[in-house]
Amino acid sequence: NAGVMQNPRHLVRRRGQEARLRCSPMKGHSHVYWYRQLPEEGLKFMVYLQKENIIDESGMPKERFSAEFPKEGPSILRIQQVVRGDSAAYFCASSDLTASNYGYTFGSGTRLTVV
Amino acid sequence: RKEVEQDPGPFNVPEGATVAFNCTYSNSASQSFFWYRQDCRKEPKLLMSVYSSGNEDGRFTAQLNRASQYISLLIRDSKLSDSATYLCVVRPSGNTPLVFGKGTRLSVIA
Repeated sequence: NAGVMQNPRHLVRRRGQEARLRCSPMKGHSHVYWYRQLPEEGLKFMVYLQKENIIDESGMPKERFSAEFPKEGPSILRIQQVVRGDSAAYFCASSDLTASNYGYTFGSGTRLTVV
Repeated sequence: RKEVEQDPGPFNVPEGATVAFNCTYSNSASQSFFWYRQDCRKEPKLLMSVYSSGNEDGRFTAQLNRASQYISLLIRDSKLSDSATYLCVVRPSGNTPLVFGKGTRLSVIA
């Protein structure tokens, strides 16, 4: 019974490159959430997706960042033209529709370093 | 006012001590409340949900005061393995995403 799977665990990109972070939710979960944690900071909500739909992207920067959760395959968080300030841990969590009284289960995260 | 506020600590306590963390939230309509634990360079893990009547799980006790918009976590008989950052988490409403506090760092010392 695999949990939330994120890959890669570590990602190094040069400034200006693209970063793609992948998240496979727990089996049976159709809701995916992406959070970002800057060094020494708390988790900040970025985007909430269901299959093929973005439900809430209020925490996502307007430029360079995008997310998708296709009908088949993992959810992808894409960061174009990365800058040093994008260096952070990116965590994905999943839930099912009945989990409103329950917390989320997080993946191990992707640690992005921009050099 | 921040949505979820916590004292960042650090709290340095000896083994066996009792320690309490507090948290306040700004949205009076918030529906669900949780404490998460995060170890250094790891993902947050759910420690316990917080119910209006208060709830206990072993050495951990959580309390909610809706009138004061205040949540607490009490850890009794602290162990070295309790050293971590404790995150206060609130769900504002319905199926809206969870809002995390910045966390309170605890170090239990032998």
